[in-house]
Amino acid sequence: QVHLVQSGAEVKKPGASVKVSCKASGYTFTTYFMHWVRQAPGQGLEWMGVINPSDGSTSYAQKFQVRVTMTRDTSTSTVYMELSSLRSEDTAVYYCARRSRDGYNYFESWGQGTLVTVSS
Amino acid sequence: DIVMTQSPDSLVVSLGERATINCKSSQSVLYSSNNKNYLAWFQQKPGQPPKLLIYWASTRESGVPDRFSARGSGTDFTLTISSLQAEDVAVYYCQQYYTTPITFGQGTRLEIK
Repeated sequence: QVHLVQSGAEVKKPGASVKVSCKASGYTFTTYFMHWVRQAPGQGLEWMGVINPSDGSTSYAQKFQVRVTMTRDTSTSTVYMELSSLRSEDTAVYYCARRSRDGYNYFESWGQGTLVTVSS
Repeated sequence: DIVMTQSPDSLVVSLGERATINCKSSQSVLYSSNNKNYLAWFQQKPGQPPKLLIYWASTRESGVPDRFSARGSGTDFTLTISSLQAEDVAVYYCQQYYTTPITFGQGTRLEIK
């Protein structure tokens, strides 16, 4: 059974960076791309980007291109999403989401979410 | 970017009645080479991550009750709950995966009358 377990809530000051982790289990880590999606309070879902755990290649939404870095550690089956130069608008729940078994970009499994609060 | 627009924004339906949510994409998400629509539907309850209901526009995910069905092609799609149950209260999102950036509809909030 696929499990995606994310790191705990974070409180950061404007201008700081945050790094959220997502530990995968129940499947072969390097087989499936992992995406990051965020959701501001009371708002909809926003795709941030994707990482290929096999080779570490990434593709980011243009909105986040200069501020986001997605990495992975194959030894621990963990992907990371780091967002820099935080501002209040980045306050949101951040989710990792695994692409489908058949290799397409709909999301069968999600992490529990990590709340990142940006406040002075 | 492909813009996904859902209607209505909110919906109030009686228990046992039918609920219908619409989703329109700003360009076709039908891939001609495989004749598949790259469209998924999700259900999100408060404090939970989204849950996949439907993919390829009409294929129900394993374990999803058969009162959930979906149809559509090209740019116009519909999610239907045939007989609303109390546990169906949630926000529903459509998502296109035809191209990046992946985009979602703004969500439709479904409540019980």
